[in-house]
Amino acid sequence: ILNVEQSPQSLHVQEGDSTNFTCSFPSSNFYALHWYRWETAKSPEALFVMTLNGDEKKKGRISATLNTKEGYSYLYIKGSQPEDSATYLCAQTSGNTGKLIFGQGTTLQVKP
Amino acid sequence: NAGVTQTPKFQVLKTGQSMTLQCAQDMNHEYMSWYRQDPGMGLRLIHYSVGAGITDQGEVPNGYNVSRSTTEDFPLRLLSAAPSQTSVYFCASRAGQVGEQYFGPGTRLTVT
Repeated sequence: ILNVEQSPQSLHVQEGDSTNFTCSFPSSNFYALHWYRWETAKSPEALFVMTLNGDEKKKGRISATLNTKEGYSYLYIKGSQPEDSATYLCAQTSGNTGKLIFGQGTTLQVKP
Repeated sequence: NAGVTQTPKFQVLKTGQSMTLQCAQDMNHEYMSWYRQDPGMGLRLIHYSVGAGITDQGEVPNGYNVSRSTTEDFPLRLLSAAPSQTSVYFCASRAGQVGEQYFGPGTRLTVT
């Protein structure tokens, strides 16, 4: 994998469903993996920054895991609510550079 | 703290005109970046800086120049605007390689 890739591109779920998305990234020269939440007409907001293989982070109903050896991270949302509707972005820094490169995002729509 | 501020919020240019998008942050962050948002492509990195006097190219640098004379300011210059530069531009800053990134409110640019 040469770039940061996210799947699926979009997702429609019912209120109360749990869901998860995938972020794949180049595992060589890994430094940090970021997750952001981006609501329509707003600016992206940080959810998590993870650096260590096996890292797990949680914020309310949202959690994330990291596997740096195989180059993927999962974002989980438990019991989705309509206010969770947003685009979820992951981004990677590699090596000791200042670059933070984003994937194309997963857009989640939660129906009441 | 104002966080990351951007001016203007909206701008319409004619092909060939030049302009500067302003970005400032008051959090004493070392790292600053410019991104453009294009449909289906998420956020693409234009230029970034890891400190005053240090800048480097991102994924899509052509047609844009930057400078970083102070820690606080990171202006983005369009030398000769083209319709392909019609986009929403986000400035962002973070404290270090693994710091959470904070985004400005964005500048919506239209080139006719």
